[in-house]
Amino acid sequence: QQQVKQSPQSLIVQKGGISIINCAYENTAFDYFPWYQQFPGKGPALLIAIRPDVSEKKEGRFTISFNKSAKQFSLHIMDSQPGDSATYFCAAFNFGNEKLTFGTGTRLTIIP
Amino acid sequence: EAQVTQNPRYLITVTGKKLTVTCSQNMNHEYMSWYRQDPGLGLRQIYYSMNVEVTDKGDVPEGYKVSRKEKRNFPLILESPSPNQTSLYFCASRIGPGPYYGYTFGSGTRLTVV
Repeated sequence: QQQVKQSPQSLIVQKGGISIINCAYENTAFDYFPWYQQFPGKGPALLIAIRPDVSEKKEGRFTISFNKSAKQFSLHIMDSQPGDSATYFCAAFNFGNEKLTFGTGTRLTIIP
Repeated sequence: EAQVTQNPRYLITVTGKKLTVTCSQNMNHEYMSWYRQDPGLGLRQIYYSMNVEVTDKGDVPEGYKVSRKEKRNFPLILESPSPNQTSLYFCASRIGPGPYYGYTFGSGTRLTVV
């Protein structure tokens, strides 16, 4: 049962452009919404996260936009760089069972 | 360096031969979890632990066991591995209290059961 839907599956963006990845969730009991970045051969690394009582969070070139009423959140990567090429996972965290429910991932490629 | 360490990184084994994947964290984290990652399915929680001697099942616990005898260690045990347990496994830990602290993941263990 997929409770977090992520799109697109893959994304190609030119260097300097904006990368946008979208997620939608179904369960309203989630407490926290992190994004993870994964490089080949590595584990997922926490990139940025947002609480459900906040509509936007920005850290450097990375911004999460959160729409609680629509049950949607998105990651924006400004001034995308080749080093940003990785797989990105959105997730929703439930504190009660310590569970991260992950989206299926977006493979981002930044081309020069 | 603060990290979650898993061993081994790669393992090929035969059906039915018991194995243990070790996980250790040096950050004094209370919470630890195991996930498996499969193509098209993303990462799914196997087991989690909220502290020493406190463990519970995640979404896909069948065929796995865990223990938490010390705060830093959270081994994953496959008593009788089967081919459908071929996967990429990740251990993760986080500090508490409260939900607003993210998980730190290990580098993964790629397991193949033949």
